[in-house]
Amino acid sequence: KAGVTQTPRYLIKTRGQQVTLSCSPISGHRSVSWYQQTPGQGLQFLFEYFSETQRNKGNFPGRFSGRQFSNSRSEMNVSTLELGDSALYLCASSLRSGRDTEAFFGQGTRLTVV
Amino acid sequence: GQNIDQPTEMTATEGAIVQINCTYQTSGFNGLFWYQQHAGEAPTFLSYNVLDGLEEKGRFSSFLSRSKGYSYLLLKELQMKDSASYLCANNYGQNFVFGPGTRLSVLP
Repeated sequence: KAGVTQTPRYLIKTRGQQVTLSCSPISGHRSVSWYQQTPGQGLQFLFEYFSETQRNKGNFPGRFSGRQFSNSRSEMNVSTLELGDSALYLCASSLRSGRDTEAFFGQGTRLTVV
Repeated sequence: GQNIDQPTEMTATEGAIVQINCTYQTSGFNGLFWYQQHAGEAPTFLSYNVLDGLEEKGRFSSFLSRSKGYSYLLLKELQMKDSASYLCANNYGQNFVFGPGTRLSVLP
């Protein structure tokens, strides 16, 4: 069974540009969550999608957005990039959206904003 | 609030036992997860505790006290490959809140 796949693995962008990251969950998983990981802030929750609907959202500005498609694949978009957006962006998939549900993480996309 | 606290760094010797503590705010508690993350890699699931007590899984064990808002991860017979960050997390409703992670260095 294939794991969570994130593309691209590495990305370099310039301030002001926008970027789209992709996540393919484990087959059969319907919940996809996105996280930002930086050395200073640790792992921080961005948002979660379940059955194409955003279920919950963390404390990030509106420049961060996402969506989920009918096949459960998800994309995350960051507009007007800032230097502080440089981070590892992790996607996690779960069988369902629930309190006791284990999350399986992808390898992440390392975004560098210059 | 959903603050989760862990020590930032720990060091231990190969073959030893180490205990990594985690404290959290009990409101909205839905179970405590532990994840391991090697440098440059994705976090991987280690354990999940929802009831009080100790859960053992090979060299790793996890303990939970819901009344105290406290958990620990116990690693026995440490190996060099156990050098990693260990993250505790609570699933508050529909999103995980992670602690800052404890970076464990295992020395020969």
